[in-house]
Amino acid sequence: NAGVTQTPKFQVLKTGQSMTLQCAQDMNHNSMYWYRQDPGMGLRLIYYSASEGTTDKGEVPNGYNVSRLNKREFSLRLESAAPSQTSVYFCATAPRTSSGNTIYFGEGSWLTVV
Amino acid sequence: EDQVTQSPEALRLQEGESSSLNCSYTVSGLRGLFWYRQDPGKGPEFLFTLYSAGEEKEKERLKATLTKKESFLHITAPKPEDSATYLCAVQAASYDKVIFGPGTSLSVIP
Repeated sequence: NAGVTQTPKFQVLKTGQSMTLQCAQDMNHNSMYWYRQDPGMGLRLIYYSASEGTTDKGEVPNGYNVSRLNKREFSLRLESAAPSQTSVYFCATAPRTSSGNTIYFGEGSWLTVV
Repeated sequence: EDQVTQSPEALRLQEGESSSLNCSYTVSGLRGLFWYRQDPGKGPEFLFTLYSAGEEKEKERLKATLTKKESFLHITAPKPEDSATYLCAVQAASYDKVIFGPGTSLSVIP
């Protein structure tokens, strides 16, 4: 029972390189999210997908793109990495209900851009 | 603008010393308020969801309460294993995104 799986767990990039963070869930949830977490800043929403086929910007979308490949998978792409994108990235999922989306998180991906 | 703040930023307690963490929110119609626990190097772990003012939920030494503008996480007789960062989050009625506060770092000293 994996829940929410993120890959890779650790990555070092050079400025200007591109990469994709992968996220897969086996919880049959409709909603999926990408957050970044920085010291003193808390969790900030990058993009989210309320259901398969839809994506929306969160608080800090600049420099990122996302793809909701199917119900299970939601990827985050950095086209040209910058040092300011050094962070811990969390993928999360939630059952989409009218009474609130309780979010379940993956273990995180540590990204360093040098 | 929807916003979540938490206080204090950090809290240091002696084992057995009860206290409360605060989460204040501004949101246009609350669909849900969530509490999470996060250990270093891990993803946040879900604790509670509260939906309406007056609601309370308990789990072991933790109790969460909700009013129209804030939520409290009460910790009764804490133990060192309760040391973690506690995160509060809200979801507005009008959209699917969930917004987090900056967290309270709790240290419980034996």
